[in-house]
Amino acid sequence: AQTVTQSQPEMSVQEAETVTLSCTYDTSESDYYLFWYKQPPSRQMILVIRQEAYKQQNATENRFSVNFQKAAKSFSLKISDSQLGDAAMYFCAYRSATSGTYKYIFGTGTRLKVLA
Amino acid sequence: DTGVSQDPRHKITKRGQNVTFRCDPISEHNRLYWYRQTLGQGPEFLTYFQNEAQLEKSRLLSDRFSAERPKGSFSTLEIQRTEQGDSAMYLCASQWGSGETQYFGPGTRLLVL
Repeated sequence: AQTVTQSQPEMSVQEAETVTLSCTYDTSESDYYLFWYKQPPSRQMILVIRQEAYKQQNATENRFSVNFQKAAKSFSLKISDSQLGDAAMYFCAYRSATSGTYKYIFGTGTRLKVLA
Repeated sequence: DTGVSQDPRHKITKRGQNVTFRCDPISEHNRLYWYRQTLGQGPEFLTYFQNEAQLEKSRLLSDRFSAERPKGSFSTLEIQRTEQGDSAMYLCASQWGSGETQYFGPGTRLLVL
């Protein structure tokens, strides 16, 4: 069974600085999707960025980028020029693209604090 | 606001009572998911619908849980004979076709006394 692990329960970053959130996963499949979701306090969860495993190029979305290391099964999120609005829980998630399931598997999350 | 709504937002019930939650997805989205999220954890998959068909259900979901999506639009999640361990946030998410972006609702927070 696939698993997703986020080993950093909490991270802090100074405003305007860069922070990297870690995520590792375990799977025997070769084709899958990886995601980072953001859940602000008392607000709805939203997608930050996604990566298809067959793509070697790391995904980027404005200030958010990922470092996808398929062999190491690592998928970290880098937030550049951190803003106060980035403070939230961040969840890494996995979905198989080959096993006929649409089940998403989430990690336990990392709480990001942004210090003014 | 993602466009996905859930009702009620909060529910307090006594152990043994039945509760029903409703999710209204984005209108053109054919896929709908239910998740359960407890404090300090990520969302845990409960079940998935494509249109009105329930295609996948977590093995962790006991027989006390049932979900429906009768016309392929809104969905309901019912918990019968609630237990204190059912206390959690119940999240709904919708998705269109083969797109991989899930749009989450605000959740229904359930407290079982």
